Parts: sequence; structure tokens; C-alpha cells
Amino acid sequence: DAGVTQSPTHLIKTRGQQVTLRCSPKSGHDTVSWYQQALGQGPQFIFQYYEEEERQRGNFPDRFSGHQFPNYSSELNVNALLLGDSALYLCASSLVTGIEWNTEAFFGQGTRLTVV
Amino acid sequence: KQEVTQIPAALSVPEGENLVLNCSFTDSAIYNLQWFRQDPGKGLTSLLLIQSSQREQTSGRLNASLDKSSGRSTLYIAASQPGDSATYLCAVNTGFQKLVFGTGTRLLVSP
Repeated sequence: DAGVTQSPTHLIKTRGQQVTLRCSPKSGHDTVSWYQQALGQGPQFIFQYYEEEERQRGNFPDRFSGHQFPNYSSELNVNALLLGDSALYLCASSLVTGIEWNTEAFFGQGTRLTVV
Repeated sequence: KQEVTQIPAALSVPEGENLVLNCSFTDSAIYNLQWFRQDPGKGLTSLLLIQSSQREQTSGRLNASLDKSSGRSTLYIAASQPGDSATYLCAVNTGFQKLVFGTGTRLLVSP
């Protein structure tokens, strides 16, 4: 059973550029959330996708956007990159069962983004 | 605003010791709490999930407790091993799978 997979594993970009990160959820899962983890910190919630719509959003600027596809996979896009966007970006998936949203979250290995 | 604190920030113990990691949160209105393990530069591995209606969960040498009313959870690791060395993170689910994390406890178990 494949877990959550993210690509690429590492990425180096220049300030001002745009980047796209990808996530495939665990088999059978339909909800994808994205987190940003700065060095030495806990992950911070960026946003969540369910049924191809953004359902919740954390305290991140509009430069951060996303998409969910019909097969439940997701992309995170960041525009106009800043040095401060350098971080580990984590994708988490879970399964919404009827009205039960609060199930176990499974994380991928992350994408290490370095902005120079 | 929910805030999660983990104490201690770092812990170094000899192999074989039993240890306790602490997690506290400011708002008791949570749906569940998860403990994760993170190896350096890697993703998060789920260890235990405790629903808000539960008091305790066990998996092998790990036992997690939850006291929602006091805003506390503990992760107990029995008979620690060098392979347990990692950062341990707790996260509270504030609703609809939005997780709020602590900054973690870095654990080093020496042979």
C-alpha cells in the first residue's frame, strides 16, 4: 500500500521565481493538507483540499495557492518566492468518512525548498 | 488561538531508560491529538492517535495519555533504544483535520 508521496524531494529556486510541489495521497484517501516547516519549528498549516476545493486556509499570503485533481492528488504553488519561503513542505492525507472528518493524518517525506 | 507547547525541548538519556515527553495545549476544544516521530530532514511518521473521548492509547513500547480538560498529553516510551532517537511532535486537531503542532522534543538515546 503506497503511502503519501511527494515530488520533488529537493528543489533550489531563485528569489522571485515560482515553484510547484506535488503530492499523491495515501491510497483511498480523499483529503490533502499542506504544511510548511521551517528549520527547528513545528509544521504550520497552509491549506486543505477536499472535493477539489480549498476548505480551510492558514495564515499564509495569497502567493501560496493550490489545486486538487479528480484523482485526489494535489499541487502547491508558490509565486514570487522570498528567502523566507525556504522550508520543508509537507503534505498530509486523510479520509473523510461521512461526517467524520477527524481521522488519522498521514504525512509524506516532504519537499525541501531552498530559495537563494 | 490554539497554542501547543512541548517540554522538554531536548532530552538525552542512556539506553534502557523509561521516559516521558510532555505536550500542553491552550484550548481544550480539540477533536483528537496525534503524536508523530520525525527523523532529521524527513517527513512525519504517525505514532499514536487519541480521540478526544479517549484517555489513553498504546502501541508496543509507546503509551500516550490525554487529559483534555487540563490541556495535557504525555507520551511514555518504555525501555528506550538508540533507534528511538528522533524529534517527537504532538499535534492537536482543531477541527476538520487542521493540525496545530508543537515545536517538538529532540530525543537522543545513547548506547
